[in-house]
Amino acid sequence: EVQLVESGGGLVQPGGSLRLSCAASGFTFSSYWMHWVRQAPGEGLVWVSRINSDGSTTHYADSVQGRFTISRDNAKNTLYLQMNSLRAEDRAVYYCATGNSGYFQYWGQGTLVTVSS
Amino acid sequence: EIVLTQSPGTLSLSPGERATLSCRASQTVSNSYFAWYQQKFGQAPRLLIYGASRRATGIPDRFSGSGSGTDFTLTISRLEPEDFAVYYCQQYTSSLLTFGGGTKVEIK
Repeated sequence: EVQLVESGGGLVQPGGSLRLSCAASGFTFSSYWMHWVRQAPGEGLVWVSRINSDGSTTHYADSVQGRFTISRDNAKNTLYLQMNSLRAEDRAVYYCATGNSGYFQYWGQGTLVTVSS
Repeated sequence: EIVLTQSPGTLSLSPGERATLSCRASQTVSNSYFAWYQQKFGQAPRLLIYGASRRATGIPDRFSGSGSGTDFTLTISRLEPEDFAVYYCQQYTSSLLTFGGGTKVEIK
């Protein structure tokens, strides 16, 4: 069974940093692109970032470009999202997700990030 | 960035009725790299349709997807009580993926 388990969310002050993790199991992690998708409370889904199977290629939404960094450790079957210079508008549930091509067959349960002073 | 516009924002229907949800892209979505998701309150989204018209594993055949280019449609032939939820479209033709703003299907 495929499992994606996010962790690392919490309360952080504006301008602060946070690192999210996503532990993967039940599939060959090192063969798949991985993604982060976020959802602000009461709002829609927003794709944030993706990384290819060996970590050599990354893409970011314009809203996080230059502030967030996606990475992965295939030996640990873990995906990361380093978030710097956090803003109030980054407040959201962050999901890791994966699947074939660029659609998402599998999702984690999400981790909540709150940015507030 | 490809902008996806979903309509209507809210669809009020009764169980047993047919639901038709639309999604329009600001640019051509090539190779039908288009998906639909269902999300219920407090849950992660669930993949319904990929490749514009292919049902994901375990998805009932009352769900169908169609369209190409810039106009796509999700149809639920007969609404079941568990189908009342929010639906999102998504394109994956460009390196920057995008979602639509969602359509809420609510009980009339």
